[in-house]
Amino acid sequence: DTGVSQDPRHKITKRGQNVTFRCDPISEHNRLYWYRQTLGQGPEFLTYFQNEAQLEKSRLLSDRFSAERPKGSFSTLEIQRTEQGDSAMYLCASSATGGKITPSYEQYFGPGTRLTVT
Amino acid sequence: KQEVTQIPAALSVPEGENLVLNCSFTDSAIYNLQWFRQDPGKGLTSLLLIQSSQREQTSGRLNASLDKSSGRSTLYIAASQPGDSATYLCAVTDPGAGSYQLTFGKGTKLSVIP
Repeated sequence: DTGVSQDPRHKITKRGQNVTFRCDPISEHNRLYWYRQTLGQGPEFLTYFQNEAQLEKSRLLSDRFSAERPKGSFSTLEIQRTEQGDSAMYLCASSATGGKITPSYEQYFGPGTRLTVT
Repeated sequence: KQEVTQIPAALSVPEGENLVLNCSFTDSAIYNLQWFRQDPGKGLTSLLLIQSSQREQTSGRLNASLDKSSGRSTLYIAASQPGDSATYLCAVTDPGAGSYQLTFGKGTKLSVIP
């Protein structure tokens, strides 16, 4: 168990460009969450997957944002036509809800991807 | 809508002191409560999780309590060390529509002075 990993750790992009982030959850965790954190604030929920199904999206997730989790493994979060207001830390977390592991909704976070839009 | 408040926003203590961080939430229908630590520019490290049926959890020098009916939790840190300097975040899990998403407070920034 190597924990939740995220790539890249830092991304600087110009306004209007598209960016894609990747998250690899803890193996056998069937739930995967995306959160966004701006300076001085706590993380805010964006969306989550149970296996490959995206089951809920926050109103914070505008049409420019899309997330996928093909085959219920890693997940990607894409932001199209980035804006300066998208600058934030994007955090991924995973949790287990059953199966071979004792059910738990405890969430384990990755190191985050810091996005700066210039 | 669930709201989580953490007081104080910042705290500075000399090394060796015991300290308490406070967290309050507006909706008592929570599934569990987690305390996290966040170092500058880093992700979140889970410290303690308290199920809604529990009153407290302990890990080393950390003790977290939960009073669900009053919407409060405290994180007690004994014999603080400079390495404890970080931002501490409290988050509650709302069953909601099945998402069990976390709602966070803004955190308490702790500085332990050698």
